[in-house]
Amino acid sequence: QSGLTQPPSVSGSPGQSVTISCTGTSSDVGSHNRVSWYQQPPGTAPKLMIYEVSDRPSGVPDRFSGSKSGNTASLTISGLQAEDEAYYYCSSYTSSRTCVFGGGTRLTVL
Amino acid sequence: QVQLQESGPRLVKPSQTLSLTCTVSGGSISSGGYYWTWIRQHPGKGLEWIGYIYYSGSTYYNPSLKSRVTISVDTSKNQFSLKLTSVTVADTAVYYCARDSGYMTTDHWGQGTLVTVSS
Repeated sequence: QSGLTQPPSVSGSPGQSVTISCTGTSSDVGSHNRVSWYQQPPGTAPKLMIYEVSDRPSGVPDRFSGSKSGNTASLTISGLQAEDEAYYYCSSYTSSRTCVFGGGTRLTVL
Repeated sequence: QVQLQESGPRLVKPSQTLSLTCTVSGGSISSGGYYWTWIRQHPGKGLEWIGYIYYSGSTYYNPSLKSRVTISVDTSKNQFSLKLTSVTVADTAVYYCARDSGYMTTDHWGQGTLVTVSS
């Protein structure tokens, strides 16, 4: 199974919005609404931010939102804050009942 | 609040077997409803899903690692374990144990442990 494709980096200024894309195939992102997004500041374990494409776990600010169209899922962070600076990873359930991650995107808050 | 903690040797020699255990507290593995997962992260790289196990013993593995991986569960100790055979330097990584609440929604993670493969 190949990994999901994410842009290596994105950036934005405080208060702005950024969107991170996650492109898979018809065997993963395209055929399941089981896409998750994780935030990982350097040196820490990942934290679940979005699950099942667009649901937020308790405690995650509503500035974080997710969506999906075809084989591509997206994470949008609105009202950027300095604390949002981190790596972001998407993951998807696959038709083989396994999981595949994206390569990760580094978010820089300018 | 569920907590997970990895334990095991931090240094493994090439060709040997990497063995890690994850101890779960704050919840029972045998209560069902969750998949107990291993994920790794090579230094400076992205996340790689290794596989998971259900309390009943059903397992699913990453196809690229399947020939070398075994995940097992010990409900009496509330632990699950990872064995990775015939390791090489390419298996040097931070290994995380985690809880999956379904369909790869990994909602609780251990702190991770760096395992180095070196002679």
